[in-house]
Amino acid sequence: GNSVTQMEGPVTLSEEAFLTINCTYTATGYPSLFWYVQYPGEGLQLLLKATKADDKGSNKGFEATYRKETTSFHLEKGSVQVSDSAVYFCALRVAGNFNKFYFGSGTKLNVKP
Amino acid sequence: EAGVVQSPRYKIIEKKQPVAFWCNPISGHNTLYWYLQNLGQGPELLIRYENEEAVDDSQLPKDRFSAERLKGVDSTLKIQPAELGDSAVYLCASSFSGGANEQFFGPGTRLTVL
Repeated sequence: GNSVTQMEGPVTLSEEAFLTINCTYTATGYPSLFWYVQYPGEGLQLLLKATKADDKGSNKGFEATYRKETTSFHLEKGSVQVSDSAVYFCALRVAGNFNKFYFGSGTKLNVKP
Repeated sequence: EAGVVQSPRYKIIEKKQPVAFWCNPISGHNTLYWYLQNLGQGPELLIRYENEEAVDDSQLPKDRFSAERLKGVDSTLKIQPAELGDSAVYLCASSFSGGANEQFFGPGTRLTVL
């Protein structure tokens, strides 16, 4: 089946620390991969995406590389800021099956000044 | 440009009562989604509309949940009767036609059933 597994949170870091949030997936077919971010009281926002193996998605200093061999799409940022505190969701979409999205359970990031 | 609008933002009801949520998608977005987000979990699709047609409602518990999008614009999701386990955040999202386009999410309605 199709599913996404994320590292459990919360993840607590000091400002300017390096961030990694792990995400692995299983998929029937060839998925596109996404990271969404949810700030308190707001809806999910697309952070970055990758549609084929070895693609790197990047936005606002965040990066993730589509690794087909390890079925992973880990999120990284070299220097986090307090404003990055949010919940991060990894997701996949498989073509066909109405292009349905499958979301991970989310990882809460707390960045301390 | 206005984003996806949902109302109410919060709703508290007693079990067995009915409740309805409203969503107005971004102008021009023909595809509308309703998701259920339980605490500490990611969103799970309840139903997807292409214009006024429900093209995927396989995860909608049809014994108590119903949805409509009569004119292919705004949409209403209803629960009747509500149960304690329905306490969650109900998210609406919209996109341009088809499922391959970026989805834009509303802020959600947080439902508490007492």
